[in-house]
Amino acid sequence: EIVMTQSPATLSVSPGERATLSCRASQSVSSNLAWYQQKPGQAPRLLIYGASTRPTGIPVRFSGSGSGTEFTLTISSLQSEDITVYYCQQYDNWPLTFGQGTRLEIK
Amino acid sequence: QITLKESGPTLVKPTQSLTLTCTFSGFSLRASGVGVGWIRQPPGKALEWLGFIYWDDDEAYSPSLKTRLTITKDTSKNQVVLIMTNMDPVDTATYYCAHSRLTYDVFNGYNRKSRFDYWGQGTQVTVSS
Repeated sequence: EIVMTQSPATLSVSPGERATLSCRASQSVSSNLAWYQQKPGQAPRLLIYGASTRPTGIPVRFSGSGSGTEFTLTISSLQSEDITVYYCQQYDNWPLTFGQGTRLEIK
Repeated sequence: QITLKESGPTLVKPTQSLTLTCTFSGFSLRASGVGVGWIRQPPGKALEWLGFIYWDDDEAYSPSLKTRLTITKDTSKNQVVLIMTNMDPVDTATYYCAHSRLTYDVFNGYNRKSRFDYWGQGTQVTVSS
């Protein structure tokens, strides 16, 4: 099973600043990596797939990069509605696995 | 517009079976390259993938839960059903169903390992006597 490790567990960021979230895979997952945003009491929302592709409707301030074992989600200018939890997921190998999440908080 | 909604019991007793239904709209499970997955999230914890069912009736399950899971579909009703046997308090979680559009390449066909494009709102299940 591929273990997905997200860091940091909690990230303090001021509104308007850049937020950089990391996700590391225990073995290569190529570019088969997705990022999700989950707000309290809500279902996750797909932000990025294929490591760097934004689905229609996702704001351009969200971007993804990386391949192999190291991935990054960047929020270029943090908005108040972005303060929540983010998960990465690999879909290169069975079983599909998620990271433990990174929580953004206001600095 | 793709929507999904989970339904089922909120409380089950240990050793009982859980049956959850995912009712969806905006897509068809007859269409090639489409799958519906199940994911769960224990309170305050991370997401865990449970299984998938695909347009061609193929299924995939998490190895750790494979012996306890069955996923079926009823395309005429636009529904997918998850059955989990021998429930335990550690199975207490919010259970989600989600739509996946599989990627395709000419060499390997559809890649059944997928991300989840649209999610249901989730249904909370508590396992307790």
